[in-house]
Amino acid sequence: EAGVTQSPRYAVLQEGQAVSFWCDPISGHDTLYWYQQPRDQGPQLLVYFRDEAVIDNSQLPSDRFSAVRPKGTNSTLKIQSAKQGDTATYLCASSFGGRDTLYFGAGTRLSVL
Amino acid sequence: QQKVQQSPESLIVPEGGMASLNCTSSDRNVDYFWWYRQHSGKSPKMLMSIFSNGEKEEGRFTVHLNKASLHTSLHIRDSQPSDSALYLCAASTNSAGNKLTFGIGTRVLVRP
Repeated sequence: EAGVTQSPRYAVLQEGQAVSFWCDPISGHDTLYWYQQPRDQGPQLLVYFRDEAVIDNSQLPSDRFSAVRPKGTNSTLKIQSAKQGDTATYLCASSFGGRDTLYFGAGTRLSVL
Repeated sequence: QQKVQQSPESLIVPEGGMASLNCTSSDRNVDYFWWYRQHSGKSPKMLMSIFSNGEKEEGRFTVHLNKASLHTSLHIRDSQPSDSALYLCAASTNSAGNKLTFGIGTRVLVRP
């Protein structure tokens, strides 16, 4: 069975540029998460979906970040006007139902210069 | 917002020794804990989960939970160099379903 797929693996931007990250969850998983993991820290939840609905986006910086999951399968996380503080690894994870194990993708390592 | 505190920040263990990691939640509504392991440059992978008071053992790994104090601990016996990694504790509340809040992690280095 294929795992969670993310692309791109790496991105390097200048401040002010935009970037999009893409995630394909495990087939059949209804819940999809986006986490931000700064270097040497634990993952911090940005947003999560159940099917196509946003369940919690309270930690998503709404002025510059947006996330969609239009058909309840793949998802895109976009950063408009990136800042140096956005430098981190962006992890996508998926799970099935409540209280299930989260399966993480390999992540996208973002550097904002 | 719920916080998950982990200690120590880092740990050096001799090969064959015991590693003990701690995790506490400040949210009285937390009722489920997970331990994830993240090797350098890789994504986190679930090791064990626990929601009942007491102890759970899987191979060389043992997890304890004290629900009254919202404290969980992970113990790795007969540590191997391949156990060197960042160990992440995560917690969730019944009302938040599968929303996991992670601590900053404990970095374990097993010295041959």
